[in-house]
Amino acid sequence: DTAVSQTPKYLVTQMGNDKSIKCEQNLGHDTMYWYKQDSKKFLKIMFSYNNKELIINETVPNRFSPKSPDKAHLNLHINSLELGDSAVYFCASSQESRQHNYGYTFGSGTRLTVV
Amino acid sequence: AQSVTQLDSHVSVSEGTPVLLRCNYSSSYSPSLFWYVQHPNKGLQLLLKYTSAATLVKGINGFEAEFKKSETSFHLTKPSAHMSDAAEYFCVVRSSNYKLTFGKGTLLTVNP
Repeated sequence: DTAVSQTPKYLVTQMGNDKSIKCEQNLGHDTMYWYKQDSKKFLKIMFSYNNKELIINETVPNRFSPKSPDKAHLNLHINSLELGDSAVYFCASSQESRQHNYGYTFGSGTRLTVV
Repeated sequence: AQSVTQLDSHVSVSEGTPVLLRCNYSSSYSPSLFWYVQHPNKGLQLLLKYTSAATLVKGINGFEAEFKKSETSFHLTKPSAHMSDAAEYFCVVRSSNYKLTFGKGTLLTVNP
């Protein structure tokens, strides 16, 4: 009964390959996110989807393409992987409201290593 | 734009002594603030959150934080550190457009 689950947990791949990371939440939340944590542990938002609509698209290379088939899923596809893409990628979800904030639930992360 | 500054990149305490992790924020309106903890090679766990209710917020595992608007601070405290508290702690502010902005983290080390 994991709230936010992402697969795979670890991903080792060669430069130039294309890979996908999947995320699913069973909390009934309406908003999902992808965050990237670099080698210095700094976390930065990449994308945010609200009810399947792209809300936030930070300055991320267009090799990264998120896809949200429904409110419970947000996948991340990465084309032509580069060494600098090596990081931990976290999926998260929340139920957003303009008056209240209910907190964010994070997945356990996907450690991507590009060799 | 919202931002957070964690004033210490590393804090070291002895087991049983108090913990203080400092955080200052910058926000153009009343912010929502959070503390998250990340244990080694693990995901992010919510410790506590402030959303304009009580200024003293109690979280899990004995942690609490006080929102001080006059000082733009949201420091995290615990009366007595436990070995299992050793982890990376992140102070986080929520902006209005469904985005979280993270501080750079404070590594807490607990010595026996």
